[in-house]
Amino acid sequence: EVQLLESGGDLAQPGGSLRLSCGASGIIINNYGMNWVRQAPGKGLEWVSGMGVSAEGADYADSVKGRFTMSRDNSKNTLYLQMNSLRGEDTAVYYCASRRGYGYGMDVWGQGTTVTVSS
Amino acid sequence: DIQLTQSPSTLSASVGDRVTITCRASQSISTWLAWYQQKPGKAPKLLIYKASSLESGVPSRFSGSGSGTEFTLTISSLQPDDFATFYCQHYNSSPWTFGQGTKVEIK
Repeated sequence: EVQLLESGGDLAQPGGSLRLSCGASGIIINNYGMNWVRQAPGKGLEWVSGMGVSAEGADYADSVKGRFTMSRDNSKNTLYLQMNSLRGEDTAVYYCASRRGYGYGMDVWGQGTTVTVSS
Repeated sequence: DIQLTQSPSTLSASVGDRVTITCRASQSISTWLAWYQQKPGKAPKLLIYKASSLESGVPSRFSGSGSGTEFTLTISSLQPDDFATFYCQHYNSSPWTFGQGTKVEIK
């Protein structure tokens, strides 16, 4: 069974940093497209960043470009989201989600981790 | 960036009803569109990919259609488990975006 498990969500101050992790079991993340999606309280879904199969670099939403960095450690089969210069509007549940191939939607999701940005 | 507009935002329906949700893209996205169902406090669940392909394990009462800029999600006979919020999402080009969601409520 494929499972994704996010961790690292916490309370952070505006301007601060957090690193989210997404551990995978049942898949080798380097062979899948991987994404981060967030959902602010009471709001809809927002795609944050994504990385293609075996890709070195990632794409980002305009709202996080230059502040967030997505990466993966293939030896640990873990995905990361480094979040810098945090703002109140970054407060959300952050999900990691995998995509089994080109042309497919995001078919496996983690349970989410909560980030709260507040002083 | 490509914008997706869903309609309606809220839909009241009864068990057994046929339900249709529309998603319009601000420019052509071919068939690079997915539909998700989300229940409160839960992660989204993929229903449809590539506009009309049913994800494995999803009941056949769900179907998707469309191409270019107009897409629909249809539930042929609404079941009690289907009351949730539905989102469309494009993956034609970066940045990917979601529609604002359609909440299906019990009438």
